[in-house]
Amino acid sequence: DAKTTQPPSMDCAEGRAANLPCNHSTISGNEYVYWYRQIHSQGPQYIIHGLKNNETNEMASLIITEDRKSSTLILPHATLRDTAVYYCIVRVALDQGGSEKLVFGKGTKLTVNP
Amino acid sequence: DSGVTQTPKHLITATGQRVTLRCSPRSGDLSVYWYQQSLDQGLQFLIQYYNGEERAKGNILERFSAQQFPDLHSELNLSSLELGDSALYFCASSFTANTEAFFGQGTRLTVV
Repeated sequence: DAKTTQPPSMDCAEGRAANLPCNHSTISGNEYVYWYRQIHSQGPQYIIHGLKNNETNEMASLIITEDRKSSTLILPHATLRDTAVYYCIVRVALDQGGSEKLVFGKGTKLTVNP
Repeated sequence: DSGVTQTPKHLITATGQRVTLRCSPRSGDLSVYWYQQSLDQGLQFLIQYYNGEERAKGNILERFSAQQFPDLHSELNLSSLELGDSALYFCASSFTANTEAFFGQGTRLTVV
């Protein structure tokens, strides 16, 4: 059901930017791209979302290509605590009455190394 | 703290038994989602409720059921439990579809 493709794993040096890619080539015009992360067995943590414009918040930046077929999550200065599985999700809204499946793929396991 | 509360945090029970997991959404959130995460597996969407009504179903077994009450808290009922039902069960809530969903810390269910 997942409509996104992510690399299974990535490594990043502490203090460097982590750039996590995601392909969502079948995304529809009204579907948002969301990013979550899961540290160990904790509940997934919301990071950021966007429709077509680039977005930035205190945690990360989201760069969405002009054709919206791919995006990149950027953690500007990765720390050891950013080691987690990162999920890129397309919000699949089944209808306008609040019905949807929030579907997670396998994500990218990001390891931040000292 | 996401504002979503799940109880209990841990639950150990025997095969064939029935358990109820509880989720209190963030204040004002109308949608509740339930997920199952088995060991080394991804998050499997089970079911979604919106303002008391079931709105979407995923790969939820017939032995499992859920409901959302008028105060918007939700319960996931798991019956005739099997060893394979051992997993983390997460609840998430959002104001509506297409607004960010926030997850609780989960209930770890162990069936022995």
